[in-house]
Amino acid sequence: DQQVKQNSPSLSVQEGRISILNCDYTNSMFDYFLWYKKYPAEGPTFLISISSIKDKNEDGRFTVFLNKSAKHLSLHIVPSQPGDSAVYFCAATPNSGTYKYIFGTGTRLKVLA
Amino acid sequence: DAGITQSPRHKVTETGTPVTLRCHQTENHRYMYWYRQDPGHGLRLIHYSYGVKDTDKGEVSDGYSVSRSKTEDFLLTLESATSSQTSVYFCAITDRGNTEAFFGQGTRLTVV
Repeated sequence: DQQVKQNSPSLSVQEGRISILNCDYTNSMFDYFLWYKKYPAEGPTFLISISSIKDKNEDGRFTVFLNKSAKHLSLHIVPSQPGDSAVYFCAATPNSGTYKYIFGTGTRLKVLA
Repeated sequence: DAGITQSPRHKVTETGTPVTLRCHQTENHRYMYWYRQDPGHGLRLIHYSYGVKDTDKGEVSDGYSVSRSKTEDFLLTLESATSSQTSVYFCAITDRGNTEAFFGQGTRLTVV
């Protein structure tokens, strides 16, 4: 049973516009959430994170929003650039002492020049 | 870049043979993880370790075993490889909770 879900397998956005990637989770014990970016033939690289005590975290062009009541988080990329084209994974971990990172299935973002 | 090395980077093996993948870190991080990446499934946790000789199962642990005899090494063993274990395997490390995990470059394993 998928505890972290990314329901959009792909997304295409025009360069300069906003990209919004969504993620839903089911486990209320998750209290830390992360986004990773992955290029082909490389390992995932960390992008941005958010703790459950916050509802927004911003880092340059990247902003993550967390809606705990809806068990939903989203990643906004503004403005989108062709170099942002990659697969994006959301991940969640519970504060249970073992720190298991559970990942979603990923969304492939294509930014069109 | 975090000091994580996975070996081998590519391997082709026959069904029924044992295979061991190695993850080596130079960061002295406590937590280490093995994931597999498959189309439509994202990254799924196989096993993880929260210290030397301390390991536990993840979401897809059947057919896999792990060992961690030193802080820096985490080994993943496929005891009898099957075609369903053809995948890209990633190792990850982290020092503590509520922080990011760092990933290795991956091992592409093909079981024929």
